[in-house]
Amino acid sequence: DAGVTQSPTHLIKTRGQQVTLRCSPKSGHDTVSWYQQALGQGPQFIFQYYEEEERQRGNFPDRFSGHQFPNYSSELNVNALLLGDSALYLCASSTTVAIEWARYGYTFGSGTRLTVV
Amino acid sequence: AQSVTQPDIHITVSEGASLELRCNYSYGATPYLFWYVQSPGQGLQLLLKYFSGDTLVQGIKGFEAEFKRSQSSFNLRKPSVHWSDAAEYFCAGRSYSGGYQKVTFGTGTKLQVIP
Repeated sequence: DAGVTQSPTHLIKTRGQQVTLRCSPKSGHDTVSWYQQALGQGPQFIFQYYEEEERQRGNFPDRFSGHQFPNYSSELNVNALLLGDSALYLCASSTTVAIEWARYGYTFGSGTRLTVV
Repeated sequence: AQSVTQPDIHITVSEGASLELRCNYSYGATPYLFWYVQSPGQGLQLLLKYFSGDTLVQGIKGFEAEFKRSQSSFNLRKPSVHWSDAAEYFCAGRSYSGGYQKVTFGTGTKLQVIP
């Protein structure tokens, strides 16, 4: 059973450009959450998608946007990249089935390392 | 605000020694708490979780954690550390907003293991 798949694994972009990161959730999961982890920091919650809609959002500017597709996969888009956007971006999938969530919680992907130069 | 705090940024232990990583939480009556481990450049792996019941929770890789409501703590322990345990450890808690749950992480504790 495949876990959470993120692509690409590494990415280098220039300041001002736009980037799209992708996430395929674990089989059976319907919710995708995105986190930004700057070097030496804990993961910070960006937003969460369920039923193709953004359900929760952390303290991130509108430059960060997302999408969830009918197959539950998700994209994270960042516009007008800043040097400070350089980070590891983590995708976590989960289920809304309470008993399953209680058993497994979040499943994380290995992340996409974004470097903005 | 609901949050977890990890007061130790960096801890160094000798291989074979015991380990305790601290985590304090600020959540409601029944917190859902987690410990994750992250190796360099990798994603997060769940070590253990506490939802309810027995306050001593066993996890993978020989780790355990004890939930202490009176101290608002959920400390991670291991009786004998191996060199492969060197990694960063994150305490996390679950919260609800608008009917949807999310997990919030502490700032992490980096564990160094010396021979």
